[in-house]
Amino acid sequence: QSALTQPASVSGSPGQSITISCTATTSDVGAFNYVSWYQQHPGKAPKVMIYEVSNRPSGVSDRFSGSKSGNTASLTISGLQAEDEADYYCSSYTISSISFGGGTKLTVL
Amino acid sequence: QITLKESGPTLVKPTQTLTLTCTFSGFSLNTSGVGVGWIRQPPGKALEWLALIYWDDDKRYSPSLKSTLTITKDPSKNQVVLTMTNMDPVDTATYYCAHHTITTIVDVWGQGTTVTVSS
Repeated sequence: QSALTQPASVSGSPGQSITISCTATTSDVGAFNYVSWYQQHPGKAPKVMIYEVSNRPSGVSDRFSGSKSGNTASLTISGLQAEDEADYYCSSYTISSISFGGGTKLTVL
Repeated sequence: QITLKESGPTLVKPTQTLTLTCTFSGFSLNTSGVGVGWIRQPPGKALEWLALIYWDDDKRYSPSLKSTLTITKDPSKNQVVLTMTNMDPVDTATYYCAHHTITTIVDVWGQGTTVTVSS
């Protein structure tokens, strides 16, 4: 049972915006100040898209943004493109380890 | 440029011990704040974090797998080794090693290596 809960799937049409949530379900997550998001295409290694809740690594499109409210972090993708179709995972620290969410499959309609 | 590459057996038998090696370049595991860890992904399933070793030899393990895992480092060889005992078919997965920092958690991933547990 992951300490981080994500919806199993979300979908959107090209050009639209979508948001994927990541909710800390246990107090083990603590202040939840370090949240990262990863994109994974089939058969590929994950790629970091957001770190420290809302920071974007160089080279990542500014269509990707992150935020947090209370015990829920969110990844928003604006101007949805076909290439955004992938699995997305959040991660954060727990008391003595690291946890990943269960993943969200994004379908671009 | 940071790169990591996993190596090890592709097939192990149940009850055997799995040993995976991560060979990295582009950073030093003697640098403060840096770590190397392991994450796995069973076919069609989610990522599962396994273990992490920091520059100061601090080691962290998944609570559910702690009794089966050991992580060690050899900075002089730019390598990190993960051993997992008593392998079971449910441990069949792609195993990734990755570069950790405190702020990014994981920022660079290896390509992954597939391990099948079968008799």
